[in-house]
Parts: sequence; C-alpha cells; structure tokens
Amino acid sequence: NAGVTQTPKFQVLKTGQSMTLQCAQDMNHNSMYWYRQDPGMGLRLIYYSASEGTTDKGEVPNGYNVSRLNKREFSLRLESAAPSQTSVYFCASKDRLGEAYEQYFGPGTRLTVT
Amino acid sequence: AQSVTQPDIHITVSEGASLELRCNYSYGATPYLFWYVQSPGQGLQLLLKYFSGDTLVQGIKGFEAEFKRSQSSFNLRKPSVHWSDAAEYFCAVVRNTGTASKLTFGTGTRLQVTL
Repeated sequence: NAGVTQTPKFQVLKTGQSMTLQCAQDMNHNSMYWYRQDPGMGLRLIYYSASEGTTDKGEVPNGYNVSRLNKREFSLRLESAAPSQTSVYFCASKDRLGEAYEQYFGPGTRLTVT
Repeated sequence: AQSVTQPDIHITVSEGASLELRCNYSYGATPYLFWYVQSPGQGLQLLLKYFSGDTLVQGIKGFEAEFKRSQSSFNLRKPSVHWSDAAEYFCAVVRNTGTASKLTFGTGTRLQVTL
C-alpha cells in the first residue's frame, strides 16, 4: 500500500515548455486534489476532482489543466510553463465527500521554471 | 469567506520545553479543523483533527489541540518537544462546497528545536 505517489520528484522547465505531473493513489479514494505550496503562503488548491469523471477549479487554476484519468489517477498539466509556476506541487486524496475525512498527501514535486 | 490564521511564522524552543502553536479560524458554521506537519522535503502528515465532541483532541506523536469556539482558536500543544519535532506545521479548516470538501490552509509555522 503505497498511498499517494507523485512523479516526477523534481523537474526543471524552460519558460513556455509543457509538462504533466502524475498522481496516483491506491486507497480507492473518491476525491483527489492538486495544491501548490509557495513560501509564506501555505498550500493553495489548484484543481480538485470530487469523484471519477468530475473536475473543478480551486483557488489558483490559471495556467493549469487536469485530467481524472480513472479513479486512481489525477494528472496536472502545465501547457506553457511560466516562472510564476515555480513551486512545490502536492497531490492529495480523500475517502469520501464528508468533511471529517482527512486528506492524504503525496511527497510532492518540486518544479522550477527558468 | 473561511480563513485560517497562524500568527507565528517561526518559533524556536529548546528540546524538552513545552510548545504551543496558535491557529485562529474564521468560519460561519461548526468548523472541521486539522493540524498537519511537514518535515523537510516531505509531504504533509495529519497530526489530529476536530469535527465534534470533546474539545480537547489527542493526536499522534504526543500532540494535542484544544478547540475554543469563543476564541475561534484551535491551538496545538505538546508538553515536551523532541528534536525530531522540528518541521513546519499547518492548521487547516474544511470548506464544504456541497460537491467536495476543500481544505483552506494557514500559512504555516516553522518550528526550530535547539538542543
């Protein structure tokens, strides 16, 4: 039981390049989330998927797209990377829609855009 | 709008000393509150959560937190800090949008432990 896994762990992009961050969970969770973490700002929600087949915008969706490929996988795509997207990206999953259920986080992807 | 405030950006304590990390929330209804810990280079791990019942909740690693509705606070405490507790700590509140619950995080408190 690996929990939430993310690939890659580190990535350096040039401005304008594209890439996809991968996330998978093996806990049979319904909901999945993408966050970015920047110094002094905590974690901010980019996109989420309440259940397989649905996705919705979070607080900071501009410049990103997502795909809920199946129940296990939720990918985040940067179509044209910008230096402002330099950040640490975390994927998380949660069992049910109820508020009391905790989110489980992956180890993160550290992205640098030059 | 719901929000979470962690007033202390950085705290330093000596090993063996007690610890209290502050968290204040702004939320119209009964909040669901969480404390997460992030060790350097790692993801976030849940320490404890509150959603109803006893206002003093126990978590992992010897941490506890007390929910005080009158003060809109959910402060994290530990009686005796260990060097391995050095990490960043995040308080969070759940926002229920009806289709999925989303976490709003505070900006975090970085804990340094001196030997």
